[in-house]
Amino acid sequence: QKEVEQDPGPLSVPEGAIVSLNCTYSNSAFQYFMWYRQYSRKGPELLMYTYSSGNKEDGRFTAQVDKSSKYISLFIRDSQPSDSATYLCAMSASNTGKLIFGQGTTLQVKP
Amino acid sequence: GAVVSQHPSRVICKSGTSVKIECRSLDFQATTMFWYRQFPKKSLMLMATSNEGSKATYEQGVEKDKFLINHASLTLSTLTVTSAHPEDSSFYICSALTSGTTYEQYFGPGTRLTVT
Repeated sequence: QKEVEQDPGPLSVPEGAIVSLNCTYSNSAFQYFMWYRQYSRKGPELLMYTYSSGNKEDGRFTAQVDKSSKYISLFIRDSQPSDSATYLCAMSASNTGKLIFGQGTTLQVKP
Repeated sequence: GAVVSQHPSRVICKSGTSVKIECRSLDFQATTMFWYRQFPKKSLMLMATSNEGSKATYEQGVEKDKFLINHASLTLSTLTVTSAHPEDSSFYICSALTSGTTYEQYFGPGTRLTVT
């Protein structure tokens, strides 16, 4: 079993839809949770960072962490074609920076 | 957000030669940098952790003599792929960890290495 599981998709939605992206994990020691967006042939871009459980909102993006279920989510409201990219979840057990990544979910938002 | 650059963005080299990739944090100091490798449609695989002024820590299965990492300053880390082979062809990405009270890791744009 992988430490971090993420459905690779692809996920295709119409413009304006609410997108839900998820990851599950097995290591209960994980405390730091991130979501990155990666466009083709580019480096990942940090979208959201959450420490421990709870919700965090930034514009159209909301990140949720449920440590009891070992489940994290990223919601994108009013999705735009420019949101089309691969979304990677990442997590760490310490603040040393060593991240474990999910496989990434490819999202396509159709106009 | 913080900016991390990589150079070159793309490199083609012949089998048996060495190639150096630079990673720079442009507007912040990074005591820790990381090197990842990414295969097509795959996630990032951590290769090593680079700390300024000390030896890099390599992940299991990564050959330290093949992938030489130097972290000479708080803004620069280099990855040298020695005696490159076609199977070393990949997308190499570095990241830098900001210091202070927040925990945020910023990635460079990546370097596409092709070994012929």
